[in-house]
Amino acid sequence: RKEVEQDPGPFNVPEGATVAFNCTYSNSASQSFFWYRQDCRKEPKLLMSVYSSGNEDGRFTAQLNRASQYISLLIRDSKLSDSATYLCVVNLNTGGFKTIFGAGTRLFVKA
Amino acid sequence: NAGVTQTPKFQVLKTGQSMTLQCAQDMNHEYMSWYRQDPGMGLRLIHYSVGAGITDQGEVPNGYNVSRSTTEDFPLRLLSAAPSQTSVYFCASSWRQAADTQYFGPGTRLTVL
Repeated sequence: RKEVEQDPGPFNVPEGATVAFNCTYSNSASQSFFWYRQDCRKEPKLLMSVYSSGNEDGRFTAQLNRASQYISLLIRDSKLSDSATYLCVVNLNTGGFKTIFGAGTRLFVKA
Repeated sequence: NAGVTQTPKFQVLKTGQSMTLQCAQDMNHEYMSWYRQDPGMGLRLIHYSVGAGITDQGEVPNGYNVSRSTTEDFPLRLLSAAPSQTSVYFCASSWRQAADTQYFGPGTRLTVL
């Protein structure tokens, strides 16, 4: 079983739609959580950190459920420019920090 | 600030050749790391460094060496290239440990024939 699992998609949605991605992690030593965005043939860039209480940044909402060991990302009012791959990232503290990336979920937003 | 820079952007090697991928950052970050990204897989950590003079292995270190003689530079050396090392390589840095936001370079696309 992968340490961080994501639905690879692709998710094909029309502009204006709401779309949600889930990510599960297997190690209970996971301490911090992030969503990164990666455009085609580009480097990953931080989209947002994920906090236990949930957090929002404009059209994006991230939530963490430690009991069930999953995190989610909700995108409201999708734009064409949201088309990208979304990477779930988990940091473990097992004596030293270890970062685990999910394989990513691809999103295509169409006009 | 240039952020994290990587050279070259593209490289083709023959099996058995060696080469060094360069990575530099100008943000005075302590933590630097190298990842490879293959289709259908997440980024996998090759080597990392928590400061000048300190390096350690990640998840997939075999066939690669690193050194960190300065805070700014973190080169990755392929000792004897193999087709299995065909991948996209990303260098990243963060202020302290990997718990902080990581800033990635633009990547090096390597093909080993």
